Amino acid sequence: AQKVTQAQTEISVVEKEDVTLDCVYETRDTTYYLFWYKQPPSGELVFLIRRNSFDEQNEISGRYSWNFQKSTSSFNFTITASQVVDSAVYFCALSEAEYGGSQGNLIFGKGTKLSVKP
Amino acid sequence: EAQVTQNPRYLITVTGKKLTVTCSQNMNHEYMSWYRQDPGLGLRQIYYSMNVEVTDKGDVPEGYKVSRKEKRNFPLILESPSPNQTSLYFCASGPSIAGGPDTQYFGPGTRLTVL
Repeated sequence: AQKVTQAQTEISVVEKEDVTLDCVYETRDTTYYLFWYKQPPSGELVFLIRRNSFDEQNEISGRYSWNFQKSTSSFNFTITASQVVDSAVYFCALSEAEYGGSQGNLIFGKGTKLSVKP
Repeated sequence: EAQVTQNPRYLITVTGKKLTVTCSQNMNHEYMSWYRQDPGLGLRQIYYSMNVEVTDKGDVPEGYKVSRKEKRNFPLILESPSPNQTSLYFCASGPSIAGGPDTQYFGPGTRLTVL
């Protein structure tokens, strides 16, 4: 069965520290998609990144970077030089692309609450 | 501006009083879906629609109805709301690729309280 585990419930760092949010997933499909979403205190869900199972290249976007490793079923997210505005709950999610079941259903992890203190 | 909109954003109602939460997207997306977010349970899919007139159940469809008469709109209907449907609801939409949506973009959320 598909599952996403974010073992870190809460993380607190001081501004300018680097922080890594862990995500481990389980799936039987060979074709799947992985996502990260940000939920700031205002409550909306903001899309950050999508990765498909055939693309293991790491990605960097400004202070954000993602490390996808199929060998360990992990899709970790690193924020470099964290800022107070990064404070939010971050969700990792999995979507299986093969037919059967709910197509497009995003399986979310429980989220990691990141607090960045000045 | 490309967006998913939901109305109302906040709603307090009483048990049994039918309500509809509207969802609209202006990105011409084929795929739309509804999720609910609850403490300790996370986000779970209620219903989804692959395209106009095509809807199907997600993980937690009991007590909800949806319709997809137009591409841009995907309302969520609670015929007889109960307190256990108190939750934060999100609508999402995304372009379709073979087998499902590409990326899902979420609306701002609707906080529903059923007394």
